[in-house]
Amino acid sequence: KNQVEQSPQSLIILEGKNCTLQCNYTVSPFSNLRWYKQDTGRGPVSLTIMTFSENTKSNGRYTATLDADTKQSSLHITASQLSDSASYICVVSSYNTDKLIFGTGTRLQVFP
Amino acid sequence: KAGVTQTPRYLIKTRGQQVTLSCSPISGHRSVSWYQQTPGQGLQFLFEYFSETQRNKGNFPGRFSGRQFSNSRSEMNVSTLELGDSALYLCASSFHGDISTDTQYFGPGTRLTVL
Repeated sequence: KNQVEQSPQSLIILEGKNCTLQCNYTVSPFSNLRWYKQDTGRGPVSLTIMTFSENTKSNGRYTATLDADTKQSSLHITASQLSDSASYICVVSSYNTDKLIFGTGTRLQVFP
Repeated sequence: KAGVTQTPRYLIKTRGQQVTLSCSPISGHRSVSWYQQTPGQGLQFLFEYFSETQRNKGNFPGRFSGRQFSNSRSEMNVSTLELGDSALYLCASSFHGDISTDTQYFGPGTRLTVL
């Protein structure tokens, strides 16, 4: 069964600190993996998209990594800001189903 | 370029009623997808439309239906509402709807509450 699991479910950090969010998937055959940021009351916004051959992609202070062998991805946030408080959703697509499979997200809260 | 817009933003209905939600994609985008988001289940795919044709469908009952117009605007309809239909309904548009390459752009969502 195609699944995407994220950890931790929620995370609290202090402003200025770094953090790493995890995503494990069992989707096969793999097409690509995306990370989205969703602010409360808003729709998700794409941060990165990675294909099988890419193992790192950055978008400002956000860096996503992908290990296609172990089927794991991580999203690293550097020097966190209050505006990073949001849910981060990992999404994997498969060539077979032509659909996106969503993780349930990690809720990040950044405090001053 | 204007983003994806959804109307209404908030809606309160009672059980048994029906509801229609609207989505206007980014200009030039021909693919529109609909998702249901609840705290327990996360985002779940409802269906995708491309050039007025339903191209893909998720695992939702027939009470959930949709359509797309020639200008790519899309509507989603839910009939005989149940309490469990309370959720945030998100619409996303992309140019081709090719999940291998396209980025989906999400609207702000419609918050539906069923009493």
